[in-house]
Amino acid sequence: GENVEQHPSTLSVQEGDSAVIKCTYSDSASNYFPWYKQELGKGPQLIIDIRSNVGEKKDQRIAVTLNKTAKHFSLHITETQPEDSAVYFCAASIIQNNNDMRFGAGTRLTVKP
Amino acid sequence: DVKVTQSSRYLVKRTGEKVFLECVQDMDHENMFWYRQDPGLGLRLIYFSYDVKMKEKGDIPEGYSVSREKKERFSLILESASTNQTSMYLCASSLRLRGQFFGPGTRLTVL
Repeated sequence: GENVEQHPSTLSVQEGDSAVIKCTYSDSASNYFPWYKQELGKGPQLIIDIRSNVGEKKDQRIAVTLNKTAKHFSLHITETQPEDSAVYFCAASIIQNNNDMRFGAGTRLTVKP
Repeated sequence: DVKVTQSSRYLVKRTGEKVFLECVQDMDHENMFWYRQDPGLGLRLIYFSYDVKMKEKGDIPEGYSVSREKKERFSLILESASTNQTSMYLCASSLRLRGQFFGPGTRLTVL
């Protein structure tokens, strides 16, 4: 089955700097890669996703890139703000399989003001 | 906006009790999921359902059962709670071929 690894487990950046979180997956059939943000005391929130027919996707300050050959994908946050501090999870799935999804272990991002 | 609600934010139960965790979504999603979240282990799938009365085991179904009698409601049942089931439980729902939307979670403590 699918195995997703996520790095780093913790990341601390200064406000205004960029943050990059990387994930690798094992199943070449995976074709859907969402990213979730989980704030303290809340459930994960879908912030951006990418499908395997696209190499990059942007939404304001966040972007995701996908390298299918290397089986890795990354989340990029630019101009970080203190409210970006949270735990971020990557995930991978074969979306036709009723959305059976595998999650990375999470990255705790801290943005220092 | 999609709304996924869970019946309790915090729950304390005793070993051996039967525990019901309820999840309701208001967007007519076909798929519903139950995960548990533990430090260092990420999110692990317990059960999911892709239609009313349909259920599939996830990675860690032992000690749990589920019920989906109506499309909007997915219940997780701990038949006889044990201390190793102390965890954060997250419900999610999705349309087919779309991302999952999560509820706020239920933090269950079994004493």
